[in-house]
Amino acid sequence: GESVGLHLPTLSVQEGDNSIINCAYSNSASDYFIWYKQESGKGPQFIIDIRSNMDKRQGQRVTVLLNKTVKHLSLQIAATQPGDSAVYFCAETGYSTLTFGKGTMLLVSP
Amino acid sequence: GAVVSQHPSRVICKSGTSVKIECRSLDFQATTMFWYRQFPKQSLMLMATSNEGSKATYEQGVEKDKFLINHASLTLSTLTVTSAHPEDSSFYICSARPTLTGGDSPLHFGNGTRLTVT
Repeated sequence: GESVGLHLPTLSVQEGDNSIINCAYSNSASDYFIWYKQESGKGPQFIIDIRSNMDKRQGQRVTVLLNKTVKHLSLQIAATQPGDSAVYFCAETGYSTLTFGKGTMLLVSP
Repeated sequence: GAVVSQHPSRVICKSGTSVKIECRSLDFQATTMFWYRQFPKQSLMLMATSNEGSKATYEQGVEKDKFLINHASLTLSTLTVTSAHPEDSSFYICSARPTLTGGDSPLHFGNGTRLTVT
């Protein structure tokens, strides 16, 4: 299930399930969006990106969906594995600076 | 490719001292680098944009005299936390985008520096 912690919402899933992490972005002028994965004590790691002229993009086990009408972004992870446990951030940019969303902690149980 | 190296990974310093953090792009040139700060269980907050050969651009609320940024070459930016205080304890992360790529390409991040001020 999904719960809200002190600052970071948490999504708990079982290994093998599909995970969906959602993100609402704020700037309607943003035209490029990125999902990052951050493991404890490390910097963010690029997962997948999407430009505003697209509404879906697939990678290996991951899919990003973009709904510009409601300014919503989602990351779908297929067959979630324990190694996917991390904090996931969406980020948006118009040209230069990158603005991060609040993040979601994904916990995968074996 | 596109590796960003940040050093040190951890530093503990006494209140009132200064700490320098280095950010290097190892296999690409970066005209612009970015410095973020992250508190536990929170998102990354942009502190400043570091521009090679010119002054950094600071976000609102970030003291430029406290967080000194120098971007002396296309592969190195440094952040110096001057006269550090316990409230400066945080996780500092740098990032860079290859010079030849546009705004619609991902930033590459270092592994962060955990600063603890005692």
